[in-house]
Amino acid sequence: GQQVMQIPQYQHVQEGEDFTTYCNSSTTLSNIQWYKQRPGGHPVFLIQLVKSGEVKKQKRLTFQFGEAKKNSSLHITATQTTDVGTYFCAGQDGNQFYFGTGTSLTVIP
Amino acid sequence: DGGITQSPKYLFRKEGQNVTLSCEQNLNHDAMYWYRQDPGQGLRLIYYSQIVNDFQKGDIAEGYSVSREKKESFPLTVTSAQKNPTAFYLCATRLAREQYFGPGTRLTVT
Repeated sequence: GQQVMQIPQYQHVQEGEDFTTYCNSSTTLSNIQWYKQRPGGHPVFLIQLVKSGEVKKQKRLTFQFGEAKKNSSLHITATQTTDVGTYFCAGQDGNQFYFGTGTSLTVIP
Repeated sequence: DGGITQSPKYLFRKEGQNVTLSCEQNLNHDAMYWYRQDPGQGLRLIYYSQIVNDFQKGDIAEGYSVSREKKESFPLTVTSAQKNPTAFYLCATRLAREQYFGPGTRLTVT
């Protein structure tokens, strides 16, 4: 079946440093979504990317979809303690969603 | 996510017992999903349903069963056949491509 890998699995940064997580799919994706899960919480939808090479920004967060639609990245500029949590990508195949393994971000004040 | 209720938040069962996890939604979404989350493995799809009285197996359906008798409800039964049932279970609905997750049920089987 479809596989979606994410790296790194864990990332510790000093507050103010940048952070990037990468998502790679074994197959071409029709679209990709990003979710954030706070510690002890549930995943919350952040954004969806559909077009090849698409770049979207949400304040300090920048999301990119690869040209081949097989990879994606999430970049956070100048991290804050509120950014703590696990970030998941998810690729859609028909009615199913394949989630990446997630990147757990710790921000050290 | 305020429109999806999962109860209870924590559930404890003895090995060999079946247990049913509740998922109720008032978002009027047709599609509903059940995921299992284990540390370091992300979310894995157990079952999903696009409409009432219809559901499909996900990647890890063995040892689980579901029903979809009402649009609002999609209960998941963890049977004794599930080898490693201890996990965090998340229910979700979908509108277009966006999924909305419930607060989850943490099941511990000893």
